[in-house]
Amino acid sequence: GAGVSQSPSNKVTEKGKDVELRCDPISGHTALYWYRQSLGQGLEFLIYFQGNSAPDKSGLPSDRFSAERTGGSVSTLTIQRTQQEDSAVYLCASSLGQPPSSYEQYFGPGTRLTVT
Amino acid sequence: GDSVTQMEGPVTLSEEAFLTINCTYTATGYPSLFWYVQYPGEGLQLLLKATKADDKGSNKGFEATYRKETTSFHLEKGSVQVSDSAVYFCAPSSSASKIIFGSGTRLSIRP
Repeated sequence: GAGVSQSPSNKVTEKGKDVELRCDPISGHTALYWYRQSLGQGLEFLIYFQGNSAPDKSGLPSDRFSAERTGGSVSTLTIQRTQQEDSAVYLCASSLGQPPSSYEQYFGPGTRLTVT
Repeated sequence: GDSVTQMEGPVTLSEEAFLTINCTYTATGYPSLFWYVQYPGEGLQLLLKATKADDKGSNKGFEATYRKETTSFHLEKGSVQVSDSAVYFCAPSSSASKIIFGSGTRLSIRP
Protein backbone atom coordinates (compact mmCIF):
# COMPACT_ATOMS: atom_id res chain seq x y z
CA GLY A 1 0.00 0.00 0.00
CA ALA A 2 0.96 3.65 -0.24
CA GLY A 3 3.32 5.04 2.34
CA VAL A 4 3.51 8.50 3.83
CA SER A 5 3.96 11.13 1.16
CA GLN A 6 5.16 14.70 1.51
CA SER A 7 5.21 17.62 -0.85
CA PRO A 8 7.10 19.42 -2.10
CA SER A 9 10.25 17.35 -1.85
CA ASN A 10 12.36 20.49 -2.06
CA LYS A 11 11.46 24.10 -1.38
CA VAL A 12 13.68 27.12 -1.75
CA THR A 13 12.21 30.35 -0.46
CA GLU A 14 13.34 33.84 0.32
CA LYS A 15 13.66 35.04 3.87
CA GLY A 16 10.40 36.56 5.05
CA LYS A 17 8.12 34.53 2.79
CA ASP A 18 5.53 32.04 4.04
CA VAL A 19 5.71 28.35 3.15
CA GLU A 20 3.31 25.43 3.39
CA LEU A 21 4.45 21.85 3.67
CA ARG A 22 2.04 19.01 3.08
CA CYS A 23 1.85 15.51 4.50
CA ASP A 24 -0.40 12.65 3.40
CA PRO A 25 -0.32 9.90 6.03
CA ILE A 26 -1.02 6.23 5.54
CA SER A 27 -4.74 5.62 5.27
CA GLY A 28 -6.24 4.65 8.62
CA HIS A 29 -3.39 6.05 10.71
CA THR A 30 -4.90 8.27 13.36
CA ALA A 31 -1.64 9.69 14.72
CA LEU A 32 0.49 12.12 12.73
CA TYR A 33 3.77 13.76 13.69
CA TRP A 34 5.95 16.53 12.36
CA TYR A 35 9.69 16.62 13.04
CA ARG A 36 12.55 18.80 11.93
CA GLN A 37 16.00 17.49 11.15
CA SER A 38 18.78 20.00 10.70
CA LEU A 39 21.98 19.02 8.90
CA GLY A 40 23.81 16.37 10.91
CA GLN A 41 21.37 16.62 13.80
CA GLY A 42 18.81 14.33 15.34
CA LEU A 43 15.05 14.64 15.13
CA GLU A 44 13.40 17.62 16.74
CA PHE A 45 9.75 16.96 17.60
CA LEU A 46 7.40 19.72 16.45
CA ILE A 47 3.77 18.62 16.85
CA TYR A 48 1.58 15.57 17.26
CA PHE A 49 -1.97 15.06 16.00
CA GLN A 50 -4.47 12.47 17.12
CA GLY A 51 -7.23 12.70 14.57
CA ASN A 52 -7.71 16.39 13.82
CA SER A 53 -6.68 17.68 17.22
CA ALA A 54 -3.17 18.45 18.39
CA PRO A 55 -2.78 17.44 22.04
CA ASP A 56 0.93 18.21 21.93
CA LYS A 57 2.24 21.32 20.22
CA SER A 58 5.12 21.70 22.60
CA GLY A 59 7.80 21.41 19.96
CA LEU A 60 6.75 24.28 17.73
CA PRO A 61 9.74 26.64 17.91
CA SER A 62 7.81 29.91 17.68
CA ASP A 63 4.44 31.40 16.81
CA ARG A 64 5.57 31.59 13.19
CA PHE A 65 4.97 27.84 13.04
CA SER A 66 1.49 26.36 12.86
CA ALA A 67 -0.05 23.12 11.67
CA GLU A 68 -3.46 21.76 10.97
CA ARG A 69 -4.97 18.45 10.03
CA THR A 70 -8.28 18.01 8.28
CA GLY A 71 -10.51 14.99 7.86
CA GLY A 72 -8.19 12.98 10.05
CA SER A 73 -5.89 12.75 7.08
CA VAL A 74 -3.82 15.40 5.32
CA SER A 75 -1.76 17.78 7.42
CA THR A 76 -0.20 21.10 6.54
CA LEU A 77 2.70 22.70 8.37
CA THR A 78 2.91 26.44 7.77
CA ILE A 79 5.93 28.59 8.49
CA GLN A 80 5.32 32.31 8.32
CA ARG A 81 8.00 34.94 7.70
CA THR A 82 10.66 32.29 7.19
CA GLN A 83 14.12 32.81 8.63
CA GLN A 84 17.40 31.23 7.58
CA GLU A 85 17.46 29.14 10.74
CA ASP A 86 14.28 27.45 9.52
CA SER A 87 16.32 25.68 6.83
CA ALA A 88 16.09 21.96 7.53
CA VAL A 89 14.43 18.76 6.42
CA TYR A 90 10.86 18.57 7.69
CA LEU A 91 9.72 15.02 8.28
CA CYS A 92 6.20 13.75 8.69
CA ALA A 93 5.33 10.39 10.22
CA SER A 94 2.11 8.55 10.93
CA SER A 95 1.14 5.64 13.12
CA LEU A 96 -1.90 3.68 14.14
CA GLY A 97 -1.68 5.48 17.46
CA GLN A 98 -2.89 2.59 19.57
CA PRO A 99 -0.81 0.65 22.09
CA PRO A 100 1.48 -1.06 22.31
CA SER A 101 3.41 -1.93 19.17
CA SER A 102 1.34 0.39 17.04
CA TYR A 103 3.37 3.35 18.23
CA GLU A 104 5.62 2.30 15.36
CA GLN A 105 6.00 5.31 13.10
CA TYR A 106 6.15 5.36 9.32
CA PHE A 107 8.08 8.25 7.89
CA GLY A 108 7.69 10.21 4.72
CA PRO A 109 10.67 11.17 2.55
CA GLY A 110 10.75 14.69 3.96
CA THR A 111 10.68 18.20 2.55
CA ARG A 112 14.03 19.93 2.32
CA LEU A 113 13.46 23.62 3.03
CA THR A 114 16.13 26.15 2.16
CA VAL A 115 15.65 29.77 3.16
CA THR A 116 17.90 32.16 1.26
CA GLY B 1 10.30 13.29 31.77
CA ASP B 2 11.15 10.58 29.29
CA SER B 3 14.62 10.68 27.79
CA VAL B 4 17.05 8.56 25.81
CA THR B 5 20.83 8.49 25.64
CA GLN B 6 22.63 6.73 22.85
CA MET B 7 26.25 6.30 21.93
CA GLU B 8 27.71 9.32 20.23
CA GLY B 9 29.14 8.87 16.79
CA PRO B 10 30.60 8.69 14.41
CA VAL B 11 31.43 5.03 14.73
CA THR B 12 33.80 3.64 12.11
CA LEU B 13 34.36 -0.10 11.75
CA SER B 14 35.86 -2.47 9.25
CA GLU B 15 33.64 -4.85 7.35
CA GLU B 16 32.78 -8.02 9.31
CA ALA B 17 33.48 -6.35 12.66
CA PHE B 18 31.12 -6.71 15.62
CA LEU B 19 28.87 -3.74 16.29
CA THR B 20 27.30 -2.44 19.47
CA ILE B 21 25.47 0.87 19.72
CA ASN B 22 24.43 1.57 23.28
CA CYS B 23 21.05 2.99 24.18
CA THR B 24 19.64 3.68 27.64
CA TYR B 25 16.39 5.40 28.48
CA THR B 26 14.22 6.77 31.24
CA ALA B 27 10.49 6.47 30.77
CA THR B 28 7.20 6.24 32.58
CA GLY B 29 6.00 2.69 32.93
CA TYR B 30 7.02 0.15 30.35
CA PRO B 31 7.65 1.75 26.99
CA SER B 32 7.86 0.07 23.63
CA LEU B 33 11.39 0.33 22.26
CA PHE B 34 12.42 0.97 18.68
CA TRP B 35 15.52 1.34 16.57
CA TYR B 36 15.13 3.40 13.40
CA VAL B 37 17.70 3.65 10.61
CA GLN B 38 18.34 6.36 8.05
CA TYR B 39 20.40 5.25 5.07
CA PRO B 40 22.21 7.93 3.03
CA GLY B 41 19.73 9.90 0.97
CA GLU B 42 16.74 7.98 2.31
CA GLY B 43 14.01 8.53 4.88
CA LEU B 44 13.84 6.99 8.32
CA GLN B 45 12.58 3.47 8.55
CA LEU B 46 11.94 1.09 11.38
CA LEU B 47 14.78 -1.39 11.89
CA LEU B 48 13.46 -3.42 14.81
CA LYS B 49 11.30 -3.18 17.90
CA ALA B 50 10.49 -4.82 21.24
CA THR B 51 7.35 -4.20 23.24
CA LYS B 52 7.96 -5.92 26.58
CA ALA B 53 10.75 -6.91 28.91
CA ASP B 54 13.16 -9.57 27.66
CA ASP B 55 11.77 -9.39 24.12
CA LYS B 56 14.40 -9.47 21.42
CA GLY B 57 13.83 -7.50 18.25
CA SER B 58 15.74 -8.56 15.16
CA ASN B 59 16.01 -7.62 11.50
CA LYS B 60 18.71 -7.68 8.80
CA GLY B 61 21.13 -9.38 11.21
CA PHE B 62 20.66 -6.68 13.86
CA GLU B 63 19.37 -7.53 17.31
CA ALA B 64 18.39 -5.64 20.45
CA THR B 65 17.01 -7.00 23.73
CA TYR B 66 14.62 -5.09 25.99
CA ARG B 67 16.42 -5.00 29.36
CA LYS B 68 14.05 -3.58 31.97
CA GLU B 69 16.49 -3.95 34.84
CA THR B 70 19.11 -1.80 33.13
CA THR B 71 16.64 0.28 31.05
CA SER B 72 18.69 -0.45 27.97
CA PHE B 73 18.11 -1.50 24.37
CA HIS B 74 21.56 -1.88 22.86
CA LEU B 75 21.79 -2.56 19.13
CA GLU B 76 24.14 -5.34 18.02
CA LYS B 77 25.25 -7.03 14.83
CA GLY B 78 27.79 -9.81 14.62
CA SER B 79 29.31 -8.93 11.24
CA VAL B 80 28.67 -5.55 9.69
CA GLN B 81 28.67 -4.81 5.99
CA VAL B 82 29.40 -1.66 4.02
CA SER B 83 25.66 -1.44 3.28
CA ASP B 84 24.99 -0.97 7.02
CA SER B 85 26.53 2.50 6.87
CA ALA B 86 23.73 4.77 8.09
CA VAL B 87 22.50 6.80 11.04
CA TYR B 88 20.77 4.79 13.77
CA PHE B 89 18.21 6.23 16.19
CA CYS B 90 17.01 4.67 19.43
CA ALA B 91 13.42 5.61 20.29
CA PRO B 92 11.48 4.60 23.41
CA SER B 93 7.74 5.20 23.36
CA SER B 94 5.46 5.28 26.40
CA SER B 95 2.42 6.48 24.50
CA ALA B 96 1.36 7.64 21.07
CA SER B 97 2.40 11.17 21.92
CA LYS B 98 5.65 10.37 23.67
CA ILE B 99 8.15 8.99 21.22
CA ILE B 100 11.57 10.24 22.11
CA PHE B 101 14.30 9.94 19.50
CA GLY B 102 17.93 9.76 20.47
CA SER B 103 20.44 12.06 18.86
CA GLY B 104 21.45 9.40 16.34
CA THR B 105 24.66 7.46 15.86
CA ARG B 106 26.38 7.69 12.49
CA LEU B 107 27.94 4.37 11.49
CA SER B 108 30.52 4.08 8.71
CA ILE B 109 31.81 0.71 7.57
CA ARG B 110 35.13 0.47 5.72
CA PRO B 111 35.47 -2.21 3.02
